[in-house]
Amino acid sequence: DIQMTQSPSSLSASVGDRVTITCRASQSISSYLNWYQQKPGKAPKLLIIAASSLQSGVPSRFSGSGSGTDFTLTISSLQPEDFATYYCQQTYSAPLTFGPGTKVDL
Amino acid sequence: EVQLVESGGGLVQPGGSLRLSCVVSGFTFSSFWMSWVRQAPGKGLEWVANINQDGSEKNYVDSVKGRFTISRDSAKNSLFLQMNSLRAEDTAVYYCARGGASSGFHAYWGQGTLVTVSS
Repeated sequence: DIQMTQSPSSLSASVGDRVTITCRASQSISSYLNWYQQKPGKAPKLLIIAASSLQSGVPSRFSGSGSGTDFTLTISSLQPEDFATYYCQQTYSAPLTFGPGTKVDL
Repeated sequence: EVQLVESGGGLVQPGGSLRLSCVVSGFTFSSFWMSWVRQAPGKGLEWVANINQDGSEKNYVDSVKGRFTISRDSAKNSLFLQMNSLRAEDTAVYYCARGGASSGFHAYWGQGTLVTVSS
């Protein structure tokens, strides 16, 4: 099975900050990497598809990059509604594992 | 509008069974992979199982293999998860999620249904 790690596990930031979250796969997954945002009590929301494609309706301050084993989610200017937990997920092969999450708070 | 609505959660004793359902609307159900994803209280997301468009391919996380069965009924636009031999560690909110045409990302999610395994 492919293991996913994320760093940091949590971070404190302020509105307007540039935030970067890293996701690493235990083996190459090409670009089969997606990013989700989850707020407490809510279902996850898809942000980034295939490492770098912005899902329809997602603000352009979100961006993704990487391929192979190392990936990055960047929020260029953090907004109040962006305080949430972020998960990466590989869809290269089953089981479709998620990373452990990165909590972004104030 | 795409909608996924789960039901069937509740309190069950260890060793018991439960069947979750997910009724979908707003898209052609038979064209997409479907998944179940769970989240234990205060924990992260865990993908549980998925099924392809005609039900001929199914995948499971190791921790549920032999205990859980995913299925679908296109006539009813419904996805199911039969859960047997439940354990305390299966306690979680269970989400159904729509995959892509070839497995892939989950663009749409239900609101989740809570399963509590406790005596």
